[in-house]
Amino acid sequence: EVQLVESGGGLVKPGGSLRLSCAASGFSFNTFTMNWVRQVPGKGLEWVSSISRASIYIEYAESVKGRFTISRDNAKSSMFLQMNSLRAEDTGVYFCARDAKDYEMDLWGQGTLVTVSS
Amino acid sequence: QSVLTQPPSVSGAPGQRVTISCTGSSSNVGAGYDVHWYQHLPGTAPRLLIYGNINRPSGVPDRFSGSKSGTSASLAITGLQADDEADYYCQSYDSSLRGSLFGGGTKLTVL
Repeated sequence: EVQLVESGGGLVKPGGSLRLSCAASGFSFNTFTMNWVRQVPGKGLEWVSSISRASIYIEYAESVKGRFTISRDNAKSSMFLQMNSLRAEDTGVYFCARDAKDYEMDLWGQGTLVTVSS
Repeated sequence: QSVLTQPPSVSGAPGQRVTISCTGSSSNVGAGYDVHWYQHLPGTAPRLLIYGNINRPSGVPDRFSGSKSGTSASLAITGLQADDEADYYCQSYDSSLRGSLFGGGTKLTVL
């Protein structure tokens, strides 16, 4: 089955760290650019970061630049998001999503909840 | 400024037609980047509805259609059904952000 499964979410104190994982199956993971997208409670979808097939091109939203690091392991069909210096406003559901041809995201995971609170 | 503007809410009766607009700028939609649309129900994964401005992935009913002109795009839903009630988002690439940009989302209520 073609799917993405996120894990690693949880409750963390402000200033803390968390590492999210996204496990892909059912498709050739190494041929797709991948993204992290989040939904903050009561707000809309926000693109967080993207990583190209061979990790050559990496981009971040301004709101997470310098605090979050995206990476991938094509041998394990997995993508990661290392989140440091977490803030209350980082609370939300984090989705991993596959890029298709022109930046459209045609496959999404179910999301993992990150809660930053003291 | 790198923003995609959508109306916060739209509504319609079953069987009616509604449209949702998405207005961008010269760094995204106006620069020629494609607009894509998603349907999102709380607690679920977003679903790609329209890609490349006008195209439907397999499995999406032809009641959903997209269009684009200049710096704006629209999603039209005809023959409204109760299970169309969801949040709808437009998305495009933004050259200033060097990443994807989502609209603020539009909540569709089926009366």
